[in-house]
Amino acid sequence: KAGVTQTPRYLIKTRGQQVTLSCSPISGHRSVSWYQQTPGQGLQFLFEYFSETQRNKGNFPGRFSGRQFSNSRSEMNVSTLELGDSALYLCASSLAPLVEQFFGPGTRLTVL
Amino acid sequence: GNSVTQMEGPVTLSEEAFLTINCTYTATGYPSLFWYVQYPGEGLQLLLKATKADDKGSNKGFEATYRKETTSFHLEKGSVQVSDSAVYFCALSDQVGGYQKVTFGTGTKLQVIP
Repeated sequence: KAGVTQTPRYLIKTRGQQVTLSCSPISGHRSVSWYQQTPGQGLQFLFEYFSETQRNKGNFPGRFSGRQFSNSRSEMNVSTLELGDSALYLCASSLAPLVEQFFGPGTRLTVL
Repeated sequence: GNSVTQMEGPVTLSEEAFLTINCTYTATGYPSLFWYVQYPGEGLQLLLKATKADDKGSNKGFEATYRKETTSFHLEKGSVQVSDSAVYFCALSDQVGGYQKVTFGTGTKLQVIP
């Protein structure tokens, strides 16, 4: 069974640009969550989608948005990038919302 | 709100030493508890879990027991290997306001030296 895949694995952007990250969950998993991981703040919850609906949202500004498609694949978008957005963005999928999550390898975003 | 507190790292041990990484939690409901491990350059992997009080989760020689009376879920391993060097995260999943929410600890870095 294929694991969670995230694309791209690495991204370099400049301030002010926008970026879209993609996540394909494990087959059959309908819940997808996104996290931001930085050395200073640790692992912070961004949002969670279940059956194309955002069910939970963390404390991030509106520049961070996401969506989920009918095949459970999810995208995360960050607009007007800031230097502080440099982080590892992790996607996790689960059968039911936020229980026993399976993580992807992450997308390393660097904002210059 | 819910919270997870892990012991500060890094923890440095010699190979074959005994490992304990402390984790305590606060939760309003009846959470499920998890330990995840993150190897360098990778995402998190579920290491073990426990869903109710007194449950013991175990995997790859690691164990943790859900202690409701002390609100703890300490991770233990009898004999660590160099390959266990990683960051370990304690987490809980609980119903809050009708929705399932997950809370992670800050992570504890383990370094095992030969």
